[in-house]
Amino acid sequence: ETGVTQTPRHLVMGMTNKKSLKCEQHLGHNAMYWYKQSAKKPLELMFVYNFKEQTENNSVPSRFSPECPNSSHLFLHLHTLQPEDSALYLCASSRGGAAGANVLTFGAGSRLTVL
Amino acid sequence: AQKVTQAQTEISVVEKEDVTLDCVYETRDTTYYLFWYKQPPSGELVFLIRRNSFDEQNEISGRYSWNFQKSTSSFNFTITASQVVDSAVYFCALSGIQGAQKLVFGQGTRLTINP
Repeated sequence: ETGVTQTPRHLVMGMTNKKSLKCEQHLGHNAMYWYKQSAKKPLELMFVYNFKEQTENNSVPSRFSPECPNSSHLFLHLHTLQPEDSALYLCASSRGGAAGANVLTFGAGSRLTVL
Repeated sequence: AQKVTQAQTEISVVEKEDVTLDCVYETRDTTYYLFWYKQPPSGELVFLIRRNSFDEQNEISGRYSWNFQKSTSSFNFTITASQVVDSAVYFCALSGIQGAQKLVFGQGTRLTINP
């Protein structure tokens, strides 16, 4: 596979469930991102990992827990979510580092519905 | 703080018409990058162009052209002879120079090209 792959593409969960979103990139990039896309809102940056280290947490509630075990994989662990957390969650990657130029390659997203 | 404004929420035109998507940005940085991304119905954002703040030359790529005017803090995108396949949500975005910094998106413009 090439590019950025996100699984699952669709997820429905109750407020008491625990689930995880997975992102994998095959581009040799060193930075990975989670974005949230809600209806009628701009894309919101949630987390940034640069060389596996978290460099940005954009005041995201603790019910969202990211994990970046290596530069190719990024997870978003979800627990006790609220209905307002229903959104499209987009993963992206880029070269990162000081020489990075912020051209992000996005996955197709995971559509999350919280009941 | 950085901010990107896309005042046009939705645009609908008939195929073969020219259409311009507006983007106005705010930043205190003296150097920055500007981007346009396309989000087709499949969900993933597709990179279209990156422009360095030092380079105010307009750019043309096939039917796409971009007009960067630093004096008015605008980075507008024109599609000439639009086609149905151009239907998508288009996002303008802004970031700093260093890699893995925040990419701030506008709210997006939904473009519908009618046959």
